Amino acid sequence: GESVGLHLPTLSVQEGDNSIINCAYSNSASDYFIWYKQESGKGPQFIIDIRSNMDKRQGQRVTVLLNKTVKHLSLQIAATQPGDSAVYFCAEMEYGNKLVFGAGTILRVKS
Amino acid sequence: DTGVSQNPRHKITKRGQNVTFRCDPISEHNRLYWYRQTLGQGPEFLTYFQNEAQLEKSRLLSDRFSAERPKGSFSTLEIQRTEQGDSAMYLCASSLLSSGNTIYFGEGSWLTVV
Repeated sequence: GESVGLHLPTLSVQEGDNSIINCAYSNSASDYFIWYKQESGKGPQFIIDIRSNMDKRQGQRVTVLLNKTVKHLSLQIAATQPGDSAVYFCAEMEYGNKLVFGAGTILRVKS
Repeated sequence: DTGVSQNPRHKITKRGQNVTFRCDPISEHNRLYWYRQTLGQGPEFLTYFQNEAQLEKSRLLSDRFSAERPKGSFSTLEIQRTEQGDSAMYLCASSLLSSGNTIYFGEGSWLTVV
């Protein structure tokens, strides 16, 4: 079936550096994408979303890029902080349907 | 705090017992979702409601699982005759379809079947 996958299972970055987490999706009909952050023992926390009619969206310290041609999504975190350490999931949705999640990327921030 | 409330947060039960989880979504959200998550995996879709109507059920939702949303507000997820393989975190989420459908999750209910 359709699935969302992540390229890197673990990413280690130095505090203050920028982080880039990548995600590939396979359902070309997906029109909505969300990045979630999940800390140990907690539920997924909404970070940022993007619709298929956009290729870039910025939030506070985060930017999501969408490349529909190659079905690729990325999350950029500027000036990564220790509090950013968590598991990051991308998820896709076809309009009015359910979210499908990938396996997640662990982000470790070294002080 | 996303506003989605789940309880109990933790439940330990013996194999064969029934358990029920409750979810209170963000006020006025018309969509409510249930997901299951095991360690090291992403959340897996179980079912979702629009108002009180259950619109889709995953094949993961065996006949031992039942979910309800009787008045279109809170929802319950019941697992009958629990098995050790049911041990997981059960996540509830909600959204407002007419407002972009951004989906917000609760903190989850941990189930351990011993």
